[in-house]
Amino acid sequence: NAGVMQNPRHLVRRRGQEARLRCSPMKGHSHVYWYRQLPEEGLKFMVYLQKENIIDESGMPKERFSAEFPKEGPSILRIQQVVRGDSAAYFCASSTGENTEAFFGQGTRLTVV
Amino acid sequence: GQNIDQPTEMTATEGAIVQINCTYQTSGFNGLFWYQQHAGEAPTFLSYNVLDGLEEKGRFSSFLSRSKGYSYLLLKELQMKDSASYLCALVTTSGTYKYIFGTGTRLKVLA
Repeated sequence: NAGVMQNPRHLVRRRGQEARLRCSPMKGHSHVYWYRQLPEEGLKFMVYLQKENIIDESGMPKERFSAEFPKEGPSILRIQQVVRGDSAAYFCASSTGENTEAFFGQGTRLTVV
Repeated sequence: GQNIDQPTEMTATEGAIVQINCTYQTSGFNGLFWYQQHAGEAPTFLSYNVLDGLEEKGRFSSFLSRSKGYSYLLLKELQMKDSASYLCALVTTSGTYKYIFGTGTRLKVLA
């Protein structure tokens, strides 16, 4: 049973380009969470999704950021028109449901140049 | 809203015992997790408390007091490899069910 898979591990984008970050949850997990982490800081909640539904996006900026978790395929975090301040590590976690531990992927390190 | 407080950094000696505290405020408590994160890596699960008391798992133990909004992670027989960040994560049902993380405590274990 493979763990949570994120790709790419490293992504470099120029200002104004789009970044697409993918997350395949563990087999059997239907809950996906995205977090953002700046160096030397904790994990900041962005969005919580279940299959085909956004449950809570209160931590995600209203503009330029979007997330989806389609019926088939990975969850996608999309950042349009990236700016330098978007440079961070983006972690995805998945779980089977409530009151169970979330398992994390290795993260995608986004660098905007 | 929710609020989680942890010390930013701690230092301890190999073989010693260290206690990392976490205090929190929330209106919808549904459990507390501890995660370990080595630099540049993914957080990994250590423990989960939803009821008051101590949960022991080998060298690591975690304690919860819901009435005080307080938890701690106890690490015994410290090893160099325990040098990492330790993240306290609150599971809250305020609004929707989600995990809210503290900023983490960076533990440095010295020889």
